Amino acid sequence: GQQVKQSSPSLTVQEGGISILNCDYENDMFDYFAWYKKYPDNSPTLLISVRSNVDKREDGRLTVFLNKSGKHFSLHITASQPEDTAVYLCAAGENQGGSAKLIFGEGTKLTVSS
Amino acid sequence: NAGVIQTPRHKVTGKGQEATLWCEPISGHSAVFWYRQTIVQGLEFLTYFRNQAPIDDSGMPKERFSAQMPNQSHSTLKIQSTQPQDSAVYLCASSLVGNQDTQYFGPGTRLLVL
Repeated sequence: GQQVKQSSPSLTVQEGGISILNCDYENDMFDYFAWYKKYPDNSPTLLISVRSNVDKREDGRLTVFLNKSGKHFSLHITASQPEDTAVYLCAAGENQGGSAKLIFGEGTKLTVSS
Repeated sequence: NAGVIQTPRHKVTGKGQEATLWCEPISGHSAVFWYRQTIVQGLEFLTYFRNQAPIDDSGMPKERFSAQMPNQSHSTLKIQSTQPQDSAVYLCASSLVGNQDTQYFGPGTRLLVL
């Protein structure tokens, strides 16, 4: 089954607005949560991540919110710019079992219109 | 500072032929991951090495796929008797051991099996 799910395949936001990308997960053992950005024909690049012992992390225009009880995490991008247009992949992983593999969501295509 | 290097960038094979994909991790990174990306399945984990030892191959198809890491500077993914459904972008990622959550992806090898 799909352990990490992004229910919105696409999102359009006006320039200057807030982009909110959502991700749900199933595995209680996940202790690491990340957002990757991917341009067409490029590989994913890590944007921001959190461990399960925090519920929020900010980095410039990016904020990750983690809701462990709801098995949900989100990425907020403030002051969205046209260059933010890309596919955003959420990912989760657990280190306790010895494997550091990441499980990715299907991706949400964000379009920031000017 | 070179990132993860993958060769070839593109490979076209005929059905039934063998394909070998190469990955050179970032210098000093001792954790290497292989993922596969398709439109239908998204980004899927295949296998993971730590300090050259195979740790988790739970995502590898049981037949025809194998991976090795003969030294700390490269890993290979071999697909025997390739099939059209093997067509995908194969991504290699590396990380520091102890910080395996933070994975840096290579540009990928786009494999097309005709």
